[in-house]
Amino acid sequence: GENVEQHPSTLSVQEGDSAVIKCTYSDSASNYFPWYKQELGKRPQLIIDIRSNVGEKKDQRIAVTLNKTAKHFSLHITETQPEDSAVYFCAAFDPRNYQLIWGAGTKLIIKP
Amino acid sequence: GAGVSQTPSNKVTEKGKYVELRCDPISGHTALYWYRQSLGQGPEFLIYFQGTGAADDSGLPNDRFFAVRPEGSVSTLKIQRTERGDSAVYLCASSLEGLAGNIQYFGAGTRLSVL
Repeated sequence: GENVEQHPSTLSVQEGDSAVIKCTYSDSASNYFPWYKQELGKRPQLIIDIRSNVGEKKDQRIAVTLNKTAKHFSLHITETQPEDSAVYFCAAFDPRNYQLIWGAGTKLIIKP
Repeated sequence: GAGVSQTPSNKVTEKGKYVELRCDPISGHTALYWYRQSLGQGPEFLIYFQGTGAADDSGLPNDRFFAVRPEGSVSTLKIQRTERGDSAVYLCASSLEGLAGNIQYFGAGTRLSVL
């Protein structure tokens, strides 16, 4: 089955700098890759997603890139702000069993 | 409704007891998912419903766990003979259909504590 690995587990960046979180997946059948943000004690919320037929997608300060050949995808946050502090999860959707397989999460800390 | 609703928000029970956790999905969403999230980890898939039927229950850890969705809307996750290891946040999500690209919207979760 699908396996998703996420790095780093913790990322600390200075406010205003960029943050990059990377994920790899194992199954080439996966075709949809969402990123969720989860603040402490809150529900996961989708921040951006990408389908397998697209290489890059951007939404204001957030972008996601996908390399299907290498089976990895990354989240990029530019001009980080204190409210970006949270745990970020990547996931890969397997269309054969309709499951979202999640990474272990990255705790992003924005230093003032 | 405005979003996915889960009740109760917190449940404390004793080892060996039976619990039911409820999920009310977004109106019109045919796909419903249950996940379990332990501290410091990502959501772990439990079961997926498409309409009234459990399309995939491969994530249920053992036969103490069971879920239903009798009318294709509200779902109940049932745990029998609870164990301390069942303590976690149980998350429910719904999506328009169970297809790639359909955003899964999450409820706030039920925090289950088994003493």
